[in-house]
Amino acid sequence: EVELFESGGGLIQPGGSLTLSCAASGFMFRTYAMSWVRQAPGKGLEWVSTISGAADRTFYADSVKGRFVLYRDNSKNTVSLQMNSLRVDDTAIYHCARVRCSSASCSPNWFDPWGPGTRVTVSS
Amino acid sequence: DIQLTQSPSFLSASIGDRVTITCRASQDISNFLTWYQQKPGRAPKLLIYAASRLQSGVPLRFSGSGSGAEFTLTITGLQPEDFATYYCQQLNNYPITFGQGTRLEIE
Repeated sequence: EVELFESGGGLIQPGGSLTLSCAASGFMFRTYAMSWVRQAPGKGLEWVSTISGAADRTFYADSVKGRFVLYRDNSKNTVSLQMNSLRVDDTAIYHCARVRCSSASCSPNWFDPWGPGTRVTVSS
Repeated sequence: DIQLTQSPSFLSASIGDRVTITCRASQDISNFLTWYQQKPGRAPKLLIYAASRLQSGVPLRFSGSGSGAEFTLTITGLQPEDFATYYCQQLNNYPITFGQGTRLEIE
């Protein structure tokens, strides 16, 4: 069974750093790109970042570019989101999701499955 | 960036009804449009990809159509488990964007 499980969330002060991890199982991890999507309390879905299967391409939303770094360890089947200079508006549940293909850009394309998410609260 | 606008934002309907949700893109995205269902406290679930292809295991009462810049998600014969929030997503290019969501509630 394909499974994703996020960890690393918590309460952090503005300006602080936090690293989220997503552990994958049940599929050939290196052959899939992986993404992070967040959802602020009571709000909709916001794409954050995507990394290709070979980790040779990464994409970031403008709202996190320069502050967040996405990387993966294909030997451990994990993808991690290092979040720096955190702001109050980064508060959200962060989900990791498997992308249909390795390159991160393919046709057709989709995110499936998604992990249950980990909650990040940025507050003083 | 490609903007996606869903309508309506809120929809009230009854069991057995047929409902349609529209997603309009700010530019042509071919068929790079995906639909997700999300229930409170749960992760989103893939329903339809490539605008009209039903994900395996998704009931046949769900259907999608459209291409270019206008897309629809239709649920024919609403069931109690269908009351949720629905999001469209474009994967034509980065940054990937989502519609603002349509909340479907029981009338």
